[in-house]
Amino acid sequence: EPEVTQTPSHQVTQMGQEVILRCVPISNHLYFYWYRQILGQKVEFLVSFYNNEISEKSEIFDDQFSVERPDGSNFTLKIRSTKLEDSAMYFCASNRGPRGYTFGSGTRLTVV
Amino acid sequence: AQTVTQSQPEMSVQEAETVTLSCTYDTSESDYYLFWYKQPPSRQMILVIRQEAYKQQNATENRFSVNFQKAAKSFSLKISDSQLGDAAMYFCAYSPNTGNQFYFGTGTSLTVIP
Repeated sequence: EPEVTQTPSHQVTQMGQEVILRCVPISNHLYFYWYRQILGQKVEFLVSFYNNEISEKSEIFDDQFSVERPDGSNFTLKIRSTKLEDSAMYFCASNRGPRGYTFGSGTRLTVV
Repeated sequence: AQTVTQSQPEMSVQEAETVTLSCTYDTSESDYYLFWYKQPPSRQMILVIRQEAYKQQNATENRFSVNFQKAAKSFSLKISDSQLGDAAMYFCAYSPNTGNQFYFGTGTSLTVIP
């Protein structure tokens, strides 16, 4: 069964550094998403991406964050100047059309 | 605003028994989708079951079934013949038909007792 692949599985970074989280969505999917889950809390929407541009974003997704689809297969989330509160599990997801995301296995980001 | 409420932070069930997890949601939309996701300790999000709001028939996937009450905006998950591998965090989620964003509840942690 097709999978959404995320790398790395765990990333540790120093406060103030930039990180790039990588995702390879399912190849024939058209919509791509990033979600965040702070430990012990619910999963929160960050951004959706369609046709090479952001289609929706939440209040969390401020200027510190950016997304890109650099080569037609990868979908990246860049977090600039990381803060301690950015520590969370970050999930990439994709779907082809209405409903039924496939989530990746997540990247655990730890900011120290 | 769309909100999803899971009022049971923790539940437990004896192996082979049946358990029901509750979820309510708030929306002014008439067409939408509802989901239950399972998150085991690995923290991967796994789709358990999906319900389209326009369908009156409750969705079923093997041992998992839902009780969808549209008027009451209720969407509970029933797990029959519970197995040790069912132990996980379960999240209810809502998605409007007019957008792709999911709204998640706060989750219910399910323990299966051998």
